[in-house]
Amino acid sequence: AQKITQTQPGMFVQEKEAVTLDCTYDTSDPSYGLFWYKQPSSGEMIFLIYQGSYDQQNATEGRYSLNFQKARKSANLVISASQLGDSAMYFCAMREQGAQKLVFGQGTRLTINP
Amino acid sequence: DTGVSQDPRHKITKRGQNVTFRCDPISEHNRLYWYRQTLGQGPEFLTYFQNEAQLEKSRLLSDRFSAERPKGSFSTLEIQRTEQGDSAMYLCASSLIVGQINEKLFFGSGTQLSVL
Repeated sequence: AQKITQTQPGMFVQEKEAVTLDCTYDTSDPSYGLFWYKQPSSGEMIFLIYQGSYDQQNATEGRYSLNFQKARKSANLVISASQLGDSAMYFCAMREQGAQKLVFGQGTRLTINP
Repeated sequence: DTGVSQDPRHKITKRGQNVTFRCDPISEHNRLYWYRQTLGQGPEFLTYFQNEAQLEKSRLLSDRFSAERPKGSFSTLEIQRTEQGDSAMYLCASSLIVGQINEKLFFGSGTQLSVL
């Protein structure tokens, strides 16, 4: 069964610093996709970045990059030059090939301090 | 693109009452999902529709829960005889790319249910 683990309940970072949010996953399916979503206090889940299991390069989207280490089954999110608006809950999620649903981790609350 | 819309944003009800939530997906999105999120947890899958067909239901969806998408556009989620354990945020999401592993979900802001 697919499982996502986020071990950091909360992270506190100074503005403009880079931050890494950890995510490990477990699956026996060789084909899967990994996602990161941001959930601000308004409640809406906002898609940030996607990484496919067969992608050769780490995904990047603006200030977001995904540090994908397949052998270690980890998919950490890196946010460069953090901003106050980055304060939110961050969720890692996975979909296996043929499955329709996304399975989410427990999330990490990121707080950016001025 | 007006985004996924959910109504109401907040609902307070007494135990035993029935409640109904509505979700309007992004137009032309043919897949619609319902998730439930309790405090401090990630969203948990409840069910999804492709057009008007409900194709999968989670074990979390007890027989007190029913979801519909009658014309393949908006969807409703009804909870009958609410219990305090039903208190949660109910999130709706829609997508356009269907059946691919990189299918990206667009979420609404959710309906926060409090059962007293």
